[in-house]
Amino acid sequence: ETGVTQTPRHLVMGMTNKKSLKCEQHLGHNAMYWYKQSAKKPLELMFVYNFKEQTENNSVPSRFSPECPNSSHLFLHLHTLQPEDSALYLCASSQDSGRNEQFFGPGTRLTVL
Amino acid sequence: QQQVKQSPQSLIVQKGGISIINCAYENTAFDYFPWYQQFPGKGPALLIAIRPDVSEKKEGRFTISFNKSAKQFSLHIMDSQPGDSATYFCAASTGSGATNKLIFGTGTLLAVQP
Repeated sequence: ETGVTQTPRHLVMGMTNKKSLKCEQHLGHNAMYWYKQSAKKPLELMFVYNFKEQTENNSVPSRFSPECPNSSHLFLHLHTLQPEDSALYLCASSQDSGRNEQFFGPGTRLTVL
Repeated sequence: QQQVKQSPQSLIVQKGGISIINCAYENTAFDYFPWYQQFPGKGPALLIAIRPDVSEKKEGRFTISFNKSAKQFSLHIMDSQPGDSATYFCAASTGSGATNKLIFGTGTLLAVQP
């Protein structure tokens, strides 16, 4: 595997379910990001981790819970989501959070019923 | 002030033509302006980027033009090809602080007709 990978690629869940999204980067980077991409809206930064420490939480509702066990892996735990949370969730990484160039994964298409 | 405004929302260009996408910003602290290209089913990929110390940067058929005084920058795709059909996002960020946040535009869906 190369670059940034995300699993699953598609996820359908009910509002009472609990699920997790996984991201793995194979680039030796130290910063990882979660973004939400909705149609006709700018990419919304959700969380930033730098050297496993969370450095940014962009006022994200608590039903989204990130976890970064090491610099290569990032999870987004989901529970009690709302239909408006349906979107493409993108993971990205960069050398560190002070470097501008970010490399994106293919995303997880989430549908909340 | 943190917004980046992008236009047009969609663009249709004939093969061989020039595609032009524009972005404008307000925050004069922005000092890094990348363009990302996104194909269906893929994540955005960095296409080309510019810093405000130059007015133009060219990489192959892709050129960024930057107007610091107008706080505008644009992407020009010369000799557009059907394979260029994708969504293009401009973005901006500052170089200060521990976390450089990329502020994205809303995207432009480009269709290049054969």
